[in-house]
Amino acid sequence: GNSVTQMEGPVTLSEEAFLTINCTYTATGYPSLFWYVQYPGEGLQLLLKATKADDKGSNKGFEATYRKETTSFHLEKGSVQVSDSAVYFCALFIQGAQKLVFGQGTRLTINP
Amino acid sequence: EAGVVQSPRYKIIEKKQPVAFWCNPISGHNTLYWYLQNLGQGPELLIRYENEEAVDDSQLPKDRFSAERLKGVDSTLKIQPAELGDSAVYLCASSQGPGQGQETQYFGPGTRLLVL
Repeated sequence: GNSVTQMEGPVTLSEEAFLTINCTYTATGYPSLFWYVQYPGEGLQLLLKATKADDKGSNKGFEATYRKETTSFHLEKGSVQVSDSAVYFCALFIQGAQKLVFGQGTRLTINP
Repeated sequence: EAGVVQSPRYKIIEKKQPVAFWCNPISGHNTLYWYLQNLGQGPELLIRYENEEAVDDSQLPKDRFSAERLKGVDSTLKIQPAELGDSAVYLCASSQGPGQGQETQYFGPGTRLLVL
């Protein structure tokens, strides 16, 4: 079936630290991959996406590369800020069913 | 450009009562989704509309949940009667139609429901 597995949280880092949140997926075919971010009390915001193998999505200093060989889409940022504290969701889009399948989310807390 | 609008933002009801949530998608978006997000989990699709047609309602518990999108724009999701286990966040999202970038969905702020 189609599924997304994210690294277990919560993740706590100091400001300016390097961030990696792991995401792997299982899918039939070639899905598009997404990272969404959810700030406290808000809905999900699209952070970045990649639609085919080796594509790199980037936004606000965050990056993720679509790795078909390892079925992964890890999220990275070189220097995190307190304002990056949120829950991050990895997701894949199933073309046939026209639906997003989300991981369980990873809560990130950045301390000053 | 206005985003996806949802109301109410919060709702507290007693079990067995009915409740309704409203969603207004981004202008021009033909596809509308309702998701259920339980605490500490990712969203799960309840129903997807293409214009006014419900094209995927396989995950909607039809004994107590219903939805409509009468004119292909706004949508309402209803629960009757509500149960304690329905306490969650109900998210609405919209996207362009098939072949037009449908994979990119834009979410509203959600309605946080608490059933007592």
